[in-house]
Amino acid sequence: NAGVMQNPRHLVRRRGQEARLRCSPMKGHSHVYWYRQLPEEGLKFMVYLQKENIIDESGMPKERFSAEFPKEGPSILRIQQVVRGDSAAYFCASSLIPEVTDTQYFGPGTRLTVL
Amino acid sequence: GQSLEQPSEVTAVEGAIVQINCTYQTSGFYGLSWYQQHDGGAPTFLSYNGLDGLEETGRFSSFLSRSDSYGYLLLQELQMKDSASYFCAALTGGGNKLTFGTGTQLKVEL
Repeated sequence: NAGVMQNPRHLVRRRGQEARLRCSPMKGHSHVYWYRQLPEEGLKFMVYLQKENIIDESGMPKERFSAEFPKEGPSILRIQQVVRGDSAAYFCASSLIPEVTDTQYFGPGTRLTVL
Repeated sequence: GQSLEQPSEVTAVEGAIVQINCTYQTSGFYGLSWYQQHDGGAPTFLSYNGLDGLEETGRFSSFLSRSDSYGYLLLQELQMKDSASYFCAALTGGGNKLTFGTGTQLKVEL
């Protein structure tokens, strides 16, 4: 019974490069959420997706960040032209049906370091 | 804006009971969740209150008062492994967005 999976667990990029973070939700879950956590802070909501749809992206920075959840394959959080301020832990969560359940299950996170 | 306030740090001894408070100011509030996080690892779901009152799950209990915009997490029979960060999180935005509190670092001592 695999939980939420994220890869890579650690990612190092130089300024100006692209970062791609992947998330596979729990089996049977079709709702995916991305959160960002800076050191010593709480998690901040970024985006909520269902298969092939972005439902709520109110927490996404306006530039350089994008997310997708294709019909097949994992959800991808893409950061273009990374800057040092993008260094953080990025967590993905999934849930069954938000209107029915109240629980989001989190993956182990991807720690992004921008040099 | 949305905000949830928690004490930054709590220290207690093994076997004791500790209460972590959370006050919130949010719009579109559905309920309050609690998560545990060890050393920046995956946040682990502990408890959820959709209605006022107390929810009990083993050694952990959680309480919500909507009229006071207040909740707490109660940990009983503390163990060393309970040393971690604890976050309250408000479920908002149609029930699909978690807004996290500032987090409470719990240290359990012998």
